[in-house]
Amino acid sequence: DIQMTQSPSSLSASVGDRVTITCRASQSINNHLNWYQQKPGKAPKLLIHAVSSLQSGVPSTFSGSGSGTDFTLTISSLQPEDFATYYCQQSYNTPPTFGQGTKLEIK
Amino acid sequence: EVQLVDSGGGLVQPGGSLRLSCAASGFTFSTHAMSWVRQVPGKGLEWVSGLTGSGDATYYADSVRGRFTISRDNSRNTLFLQMNSLRVEDTAVYYCAKGENEYSASWYDYWGQGTLVTVSS
Repeated sequence: DIQMTQSPSSLSASVGDRVTITCRASQSINNHLNWYQQKPGKAPKLLIHAVSSLQSGVPSTFSGSGSGTDFTLTISSLQPEDFATYYCQQSYNTPPTFGQGTKLEIK
Repeated sequence: EVQLVDSGGGLVQPGGSLRLSCAASGFTFSTHAMSWVRQVPGKGLEWVSGLTGSGDATYYADSVRGRFTISRDNSRNTLFLQMNSLRVEDTAVYYCAKGENEYSASWYDYWGQGTLVTVSS
């Protein structure tokens, strides 16, 4: 199985900050990398698919980049509603695997 | 509007069985792969099982293979997960998730609200 490793595991930031979350795959997954946001008690929500394609309705403050094994999710200007846990997921092969999550907290 | 409604969770003893359901609406169900993803409270996401739009191909995580069976009824727009020989470590919130295309490997663009399965004596 492909292992997905996110860093950091947690992050404290302030409204208006720019933050970056990193996801590394244990082997090349080409562009088959997706990002989700999850708030407490809620289902995950797809933010970005195929590295950098923003899901409909997702603010343009979110962006993704990377290729091969190394990927990043960037939030250019944090809003209060962005404080949540973020997961990366590879869809290169089965089983699809998720990173362990990055909890973004208010500083 | 796409909707996925998960149901069937509950409290069950170790060794017992449960059948989860996911009622889908708002899209052409038979043309999308579907999966079950679980989450131990306070922990990360774990893919459990998936199947293609036609239901011809099924896939399982090693941790559930031989105990869980995924299926779908495309005439009723419903996804199922039959869980047998349940273990304490199967305790989690189970989400159904809609694949972007007909095949197994893709991103999940819609999720159910989740149903809690608790395995305890």
